[in-house]
Amino acid sequence: DAGITQSPRHKVTETGTPVTLRCHQTENHRYMYWYRQDPGHGLRLIHYSYGVKDTDKGEVSDGYSVSRSKTEDFLLTLESATSSQTSVYFCAISAGGDGYTFGSGTRLTVV
Amino acid sequence: DQQVKQNSPSLSVQEGRISILNCDYTNSMFDYFLWYKKYPAEGPTFLISISSIKDKNEDGRFTVFLNKSAKHLSLHIVPSQPGDSAVYFCAASVWGGSEKLVFGKGTKLTVNP
Repeated sequence: DAGITQSPRHKVTETGTPVTLRCHQTENHRYMYWYRQDPGHGLRLIHYSYGVKDTDKGEVSDGYSVSRSKTEDFLLTLESATSSQTSVYFCAISAGGDGYTFGSGTRLTVV
Repeated sequence: DQQVKQNSPSLSVQEGRISILNCDYTNSMFDYFLWYKKYPAEGPTFLISISSIKDKNEDGRFTVFLNKSAKHLSLHIVPSQPGDSAVYFCAASVWGGSEKLVFGKGTKLTVNP
């Protein structure tokens, strides 16, 4: 599904290093979201955006920041990666009112 | 404080039989509910939804039932097929709000041939 792409698909990084994950959409949707998926926790919202430069925190935002300078791109940054941030990260987009389309995910391992 | 609960982490059924996945919610403001299906190494994909003005929505083999008084919804798959084996997430939101979906923890369905 070419409407939303995440990069990289896999990344291994060291504790304490900054990491940026990218989400790119071609659908011109207003809303974009970052979730993480962990065993026993399901999908938890990290941050979301409701427009260019308009972002807000989700339920697990500590240690993460986001930026959206263009409609099509939503970046998630781990300022200083920790082992607890080892997870699968999903980006999602929405035009509003009709559910989400998810990307294929980024598997991040912090060693 | 979990607003959307899927209390069964896993479910196993025989091919051809009915699969019933359950979901409970606590926030009475939720008025739009969705089910997503997720295969390993892929992102979740939308399966079916229901708004609070309905109590049933059907799409082929998939039917979602909503009981607002009990704050409970269920997904029925009939007949179940091995390709239905996946993790199913229940999600809820307030229509026209911030568009944030709140997800349950998921139920892993295994359909045995």
